[in-house]
Amino acid sequence: ETGVTQTPRHLVMGMTNKKSLKCEQHLGHNAMYWYKQSAKKPLELMFVYNFKEQTENNSVPSRFSPECPNSSHLFLHLHTLQPEDSALYLCASSQVSGPSYEQYFGPGTRLTVT
Amino acid sequence: KNEVEQSPQNLTAQEGEFITINCSYSVGISALHWLQQHPGGGIVSLFMLSSGKKKHGRLIATINIQEKHSSLHITASHPRDSAVYICAVRSNSGNTPLVFGKGTRLSVIA
Repeated sequence: ETGVTQTPRHLVMGMTNKKSLKCEQHLGHNAMYWYKQSAKKPLELMFVYNFKEQTENNSVPSRFSPECPNSSHLFLHLHTLQPEDSALYLCASSQVSGPSYEQYFGPGTRLTVT
Repeated sequence: KNEVEQSPQNLTAQEGEFITINCSYSVGISALHWLQQHPGGGIVSLFMLSSGKKKHGRLIATINIQEKHSSLHITASHPRDSAVYICAVRSNSGNTPLVFGKGTRLSVIA
């Protein structure tokens, strides 16, 4: 497989559930990102990991918990979410985190919180 | 605050038409990206530019740093070009994340 993959592609969960989103990149990159895309809003950066270290947390509520066990894998652990958290969650990667490096996006996980 | 404005928000074109999508931003930048998002959600990076003009197939991206403006042009548009086109910029002050526009939804009708 090549590029950036995300699983699952669709997820429906209740507010009391715990679930995890997975992202994997096969590009040899060292930076990975989580973005949230809500309806009719621009993409919002959530977290940045550079060489497995979290370098950015964009004031994301603690019910979203990222994990980066290695440079190829990124998880987003979800618990006690709210209906307004329903959105498309996109993962991206780049060679390293920086202005000159192009980001490659995964297909996204469409999350519905009921 | 860095703001990115795109116009138009929605665009419908006939197959074969020349299309222009505009992006304006408010701060000095180190790079500007044009992205394409298909209905399924996946995003593809089309261009990353910091000056001048880039061309790839039927797509052309231009940027005017002084005017803080970029355009994405599609020549000989085709229904498969139907997607949301997103402009994103990175400020040149410090290590700041990409800021995204709301996107332009393009529909090309056969």
